[in-house]
Amino acid sequence: SQQGEEDPQALSIQEGENATMNCSYKTSINNLQWYRQNSGRGLVHLILIRSNEREKHSGRLRVTLDTSKKSSSLLITASRAADTASYFCATIRDGANSKLTFGKGITLSVRP
Amino acid sequence: DAGITQSPRHKVTETGTPVTLRCHQTENHRYMYWYRQDPGHGLRLIHYSYGVKDTDKGEVSDGYSVSRSKTEDFLLTLESATSSQTSVYFCAIQARQGVNTGELFFGEGSRLTVL
Repeated sequence: SQQGEEDPQALSIQEGENATMNCSYKTSINNLQWYRQNSGRGLVHLILIRSNEREKHSGRLRVTLDTSKKSSSLLITASRAADTASYFCATIRDGANSKLTFGKGITLSVRP
Repeated sequence: DAGITQSPRHKVTETGTPVTLRCHQTENHRYMYWYRQDPGHGLRLIHYSYGVKDTDKGEVSDGYSVSRSKTEDFLLTLESATSSQTSVYFCAIQARQGVNTGELFFGEGSRLTVL
């Protein structure tokens, strides 16, 4: 069963706006990762946050983790049309021996 | 680029026929994975391998088998394809920097249609 559940399922914004995507999970985790998938392509790793971290930044990406609420958010600032893609959160549970479990994904459309 | 090649990239087959998908990597990574991606389900783990001849099941392994006789190749076989196995199949590897984090690198996918 899916460990992560992203919200919203689809998001449409104007270029230049910020995009916020949320992920909730069910069990305790070792880390949480966000991936991006362009149409017809494989997934690409974006950013990882460990269970003992609360916030990480990478370029225009900011990810937060609230382990008490079992939730994470991914913020993309100053979005560009090229950010149009599907975004997935993925978790490794404690003791899960390196098996990533993915959510169903969020489709982000950035209008020029 | 983690040097992952999937073949074939596209295949159309008929119900009941055997199908083998190949994942080839060039960098001797130990861990390799097969996922399937379906609308409304995201990615689900089928099988994974942690070394030559060492494989284990994922959450949706029924109807699939795998083999890894060489480090560089991880084969996914559908012994008798069914329409429910129509999907996009992704191979992934865990690079060295992902050993403690589980970070994966993905291939470009193999789109399988079972008629």
